[in-house]
Amino acid sequence: AQSVSQHNHHVILSEAASLELGCNYSYGGTVNLFWYVQYPGQHLQLLLKYFSGDPLVKGIKGFEAEFIKSKFSFNLRKPSVQWSDTAEYFCAVTMNTGFQKLVFGTGTRLLVSP
Amino acid sequence: DGGITQSPKYLFRKEGQNVTLSCEQNLNHDAMYWYRQDPGQGLRLIYYSQIVNDFQKGDIAEGYSVSREKKESFPLTVTSAQKNPTAFYLCASSMEVPAGIQYFGAGTRLSVL
Repeated sequence: AQSVSQHNHHVILSEAASLELGCNYSYGGTVNLFWYVQYPGQHLQLLLKYFSGDPLVKGIKGFEAEFIKSKFSFNLRKPSVQWSDTAEYFCAVTMNTGFQKLVFGTGTRLLVSP
Repeated sequence: DGGITQSPKYLFRKEGQNVTLSCEQNLNHDAMYWYRQDPGQGLRLIYYSQIVNDFQKGDIAEGYSVSREKKESFPLTVTSAQKNPTAFYLCASSMEVPAGIQYFGAGTRLSVL
């Protein structure tokens, strides 16, 4: 079965530190890749997505992610985090066959201290 | 405002009781989904519906039931057969393609008394 792995379950950073959250998936075919974010008390929302083209994609609030096909990875990065980035981050994948069911990773809780 | 409305925000279930969680969307989306969120386990798909009067089981459908009589509504019933119902339940919707771009409600937190 397809799966998505997020290796960091909890991350604590100080403001202005750089962030990289890992995401790997298991599927050999064509995929669409997503990062969703859940800020405290808010709806889960889309942060960024990759369908095709440039493997480096930019999302909202200064986030970016790089798709490395050979490594089955889609890591999320931000050069300098802010206290307002405190949230839970979910990597997700759809396989490009049939109905595109979204498969989520287990999530990474990020705490940014001021 | 367009979006997904889930109610109630908090729900308590007694032993042996069925409870129904409401999900309504005014985004005119064809597809709707129910997820269960548990700490450290991410979101797991319970049921999904691609079109009115049709729905499919997700990865953890046992103990749950759904209906899709109207495009905008996709209620979830947690039955007494679900032995561990305490969780955060999220409803989402999407255009059928690309289905990965989903819009989520605020969630319902279900607890067992």
